[in-house]
Amino acid sequence: RKEVEQDPGPFNVPEGATVAFNCTYSNSASQSFFWYRQDCRKEPKLLMSVYSSGNEDGRFTAQLNRASQYISLLIRDSKLSDSATYLCVVRPNFGNEKLTFGTGTRLTIIP
Amino acid sequence: SQTIHQWPATLVQPVGSPLSLECTVEGTSNPNLYWYRQAAGRGLQLLFYSVGIGQISSEVPQNLSASRPQDRQFILSSKKLLLSDSGFYLCAWSPGAGRVTGELFFGEGSRLTVL
Repeated sequence: RKEVEQDPGPFNVPEGATVAFNCTYSNSASQSFFWYRQDCRKEPKLLMSVYSSGNEDGRFTAQLNRASQYISLLIRDSKLSDSATYLCVVRPNFGNEKLTFGTGTRLTIIP
Repeated sequence: SQTIHQWPATLVQPVGSPLSLECTVEGTSNPNLYWYRQAAGRGLQLLFYSVGIGQISSEVPQNLSASRPQDRQFILSSKKLLLSDSGFYLCAWSPGAGRVTGELFFGEGSRLTVL
């Protein structure tokens, strides 16, 4: 089983719609979780951290389910500029400086 | 503010030739440094990471090596490239131990094509 698994997509979603991605992780001791965004042929950039109680940043909502070992990202009122690949990222434990990246979910917002 | 520079941005190399990718970070001290590779259609694979000068941890067996000759300099090398070395190489940094945020800051990447 992969350490971090994501549906690769692509998700083709009309502008203004709501879209959600899930990501599962295999290490139950994992401590930190993040969503990164990667535009085509560019470097990944942090979109948001994922907190245990769930967190929201504008149109983006991230949630963590430790019991089922998955995290989710919800995008409301999607914009054309949201088109990108979204990477699920897990850090195994505090003090461990390595991050494990999922293969990413590709999202295309259609006008 | 902190910045990370990585070069060259693009290179095409023949099989068997050497490789050197360089990465430098400015505006911080004692960063953790990383080399990742992203092959077409695949996720980011951690190749090497370093928590200090001369301290290199290798994640996967391969014909690549890394060095950290200075605090904010990280170099990825190969003596003889293979076709399978083609990919998008990304250098990244994060605050060092005691200042961990979990966020990685990536360079703009180096796209390597081995022919």
